[in-house]
Amino acid sequence: EPEVTQTPSHQVTQMGQEVILRCVPISNHLYFYWYRQILGQKVEFLVSFYNNEISEKSEIFDDQFSVERPDGSNFTLKIRSTKLEDSAMYFCATDDGAQYFGPGTRLLVL
Amino acid sequence: GQSLEQPSEVTAVEGAIVQINCTYQTSGFYGLSWYQQHDGGAPTFLSYNGLDGLEETGRFSSFLSRSDSYGYLLLQELQMKDSASYFCAVPDSWGKLQFGAGTQVVVTP
Repeated sequence: EPEVTQTPSHQVTQMGQEVILRCVPISNHLYFYWYRQILGQKVEFLVSFYNNEISEKSEIFDDQFSVERPDGSNFTLKIRSTKLEDSAMYFCATDDGAQYFGPGTRLLVL
Repeated sequence: GQSLEQPSEVTAVEGAIVQINCTYQTSGFYGLSWYQQHDGGAPTFLSYNGLDGLEETGRFSSFLSRSDSYGYLLLQELQMKDSASYFCAVPDSWGKLQFGAGTQVVVTP
């Protein structure tokens, strides 16, 4: 069964550093999403992406965040200058009527 | 805006039935979904209700009443592996999901 994959599974970084989180969506899905989940809290929407463009973004998704689909398969989330409060699980999801989540990247900012 | 309310925790014994209620307030309604999440894991899609009524998938069923802005997830024949958090979620017109705070289901022997 096709599934969403994400790399890395864990990332530890210093505050102020840039991180790139990668996702390989299910191949025939057209809608892509990034969510994050701070430990012990609910899943929060960050950004949605359709037809190589951002279709919607939350107020969390400020100028330090960006998304790309650099090669037609991978879907990346870049955080330019990480802050302590960016520590969370980051989930990629794709949609064919239901949303299917990848296993997540656990980001820890020190 | 949108808001979803669900209980924070439910405890039940193996073999029992658990119902997790979810009430929602949305500016537009495009259905109600349920997700399961084990500790440290990803949300896993369980069910979707776009219309009123009951949807059954094995031991899990989900119900929706749009007139009451209410739905529930029913877990039957509870097993230890069902211990997890369960989230109701509503999509907007672009598919973006707004999640409830989650219900922690604890299954005891």
